Amino acid sequence: DGGITQSPKYLFRKEGQNVTLSCEQNLNHDAMYWYRQDPGQGLRLIYYSQIVNDFQKGDIAEGYSVSREKKESFPLSVTSAQKNPTAFYLCASSQSTGGYAAFFGQGTRLTVV
Amino acid sequence: SQQGEEDPQALSIQEGENATMNCSYKTSINNLQWYRQNSGRGLVHLILIRSNEREKHSGRLRVTLDTSKKSSSLLITASRAADTASYFCATEIFQGAQKLVFGQGTRLTINP
Repeated sequence: DGGITQSPKYLFRKEGQNVTLSCEQNLNHDAMYWYRQDPGQGLRLIYYSQIVNDFQKGDIAEGYSVSREKKESFPLSVTSAQKNPTAFYLCASSQSTGGYAAFFGQGTRLTVV
Repeated sequence: SQQGEEDPQALSIQEGENATMNCSYKTSINNLQWYRQNSGRGLVHLILIRSNEREKHSGRLRVTLDTSKKSSSLLITASRAADTASYFCATEIFQGAQKLVFGQGTRLTINP
C-alpha cells in the first residue's frame, strides 16, 4: 500500500535527551513537511523540503533538525535545545508544490518525562 | 506566522443541519486547500480550489473562494455525526521555497 508512515506512535523523552522521529513515504513525492501540533491548536511548520538534499526552516525550527538524504525519508531530530518538546508531530508529503494535496502520517506523540 | 485564520474556532450543530466554516488569509495565493482531522490522527485532504475558481463541490462539501476578500468558506450539507472533526484551511506561500501553511482550525461537533 502506498502511504506515509511515522514511527514511533508514542515516544517518551527524558530531560536533555535527543530523540529522532521517523517519517517514510513510498508515494514518490518530492516535497515533505514536519509540523508540530499542540492541544487544541493548529499546525505549525517546523521544517520542509522540496527535493533531496535540500530543506528550509519553517516558523518554529529552533531546537529541531532534519535531513533529506533520500527522497522517501525525512527524519526529524528533537534536540535538548527544544525546551518544550511535548506535542503531537505530523509529517506530510506532496507530489510537488504548486497545488498538490498533502498526505499525512498518523503522527507521533512526544512526551517529556 | 499563520497565513490562514478559521472562524469560528468551534461549532456545534444538530445532525442534519448545514455547517459553514470560514478561512481568511493574508497574502495572494495560487490555491487554497481544506483538510479534516479526526482527534489524535493525521490530516486528510478534502478539496483544493484554485485562485481562478470561485466555487467547487465534492459530495456534501461546497467550497467558495473570494480572492478580493482573501477568504474562503467550507460548507458541509446535511451533516452527520461522523463529520465531527477539526477542519483546517491551508495555503502555499513562498519563503525561499514553497511551504504549506495551515490555519488554527475549526472544531466541528455534530450532535445526534
